[in-house]
Amino acid sequence: EAGVAQSPRYKIIEKRQSVAFWCNPISGHATLYWYQQILGQGPKLLIQFQNNGVVDDSQLPKDRFSAERLKGVDSTLKIQPAKLEDSAVYLCASSLGRYTEAFFGQGTRLTVV
Amino acid sequence: AQSVTQLGSHVSVSEGALVLLRCNYSSSVPPYLFWYVQYPNQGLQLLLKYTTGATLVKGINGFEAEFKKSETSFHLTKPSAHMSDAAEYFCAVSSSGGSNYKLTFGKGTLLTVNP
Repeated sequence: EAGVAQSPRYKIIEKRQSVAFWCNPISGHATLYWYQQILGQGPKLLIQFQNNGVVDDSQLPKDRFSAERLKGVDSTLKIQPAKLEDSAVYLCASSLGRYTEAFFGQGTRLTVV
Repeated sequence: AQSVTQLGSHVSVSEGALVLLRCNYSSSVPPYLFWYVQYPNQGLQLLLKYTTGATLVKGINGFEAEFKKSETSFHLTKPSAHMSDAAEYFCAVSSSGGSNYKLTFGKGTLLTVNP
C-alpha cells in the first residue's frame, strides 16, 4: 500500500514570497489533515478535510494560508505572503475516517529567509 | 477541549535500560490515544493505539502503553532500550467535538539512548 506522498521535501523562499505544498493521501482515505510542526514542538493542526469539505480550520491563519482538496483526493496548502515565523515542517496525513489512526507523509521543510 | 501533556521534553537512558515516557491527557469524552515516533527528517509513524477494550496495548518495536482512566494517563514503556529507539515520541488524543473529530498532539519527548 502506497503511503502519503508530499512534495517538495524542502523549500527555501524569501519573506513575502508565496509557496505551495502538495499532498496525495492514501487511496480511499476520506480524512486529510495538514499540520504545522515548528522545531521543538508537536504538530499543530492547521486544517482538516472530510472528503472535500473542511471540518476544522480554526487554527489556520486565513489571511495568508489557504488550502483545498481537489475532488476529495489530492490537496494543496498555500502560503501567501510568507513570514519568517512560517518556517516549519508541514505534514500531511490521512485516515480512513473518524477515530482511526492518521498516516503521515514525510513532510515539507519550509525555510523562510 | 482536549489536550495532551508530555512530562519531560528530553529523556536519556542507557542501552538495555527501561524506557518510560509519560503522557497525560484531558478529554471531556472517552478518548482514543496514540503514540507516534518521529525519526530525523521523517514523518510520524504510529507505535500503538488505544481505542476500547484491553487497557494494556502492545505496539511495534517492543513498546507498550497502559491506559489508566483514573489517572488520565497513557505512559509508554519498553523494558530494554536499543540504540535504534533514539527518536522523538509524540502522544496524541482524539475525541469527538460536536460533529468533528480532532487529533491533538503533545509537544513531544526526545529519547536519547546512550551506549
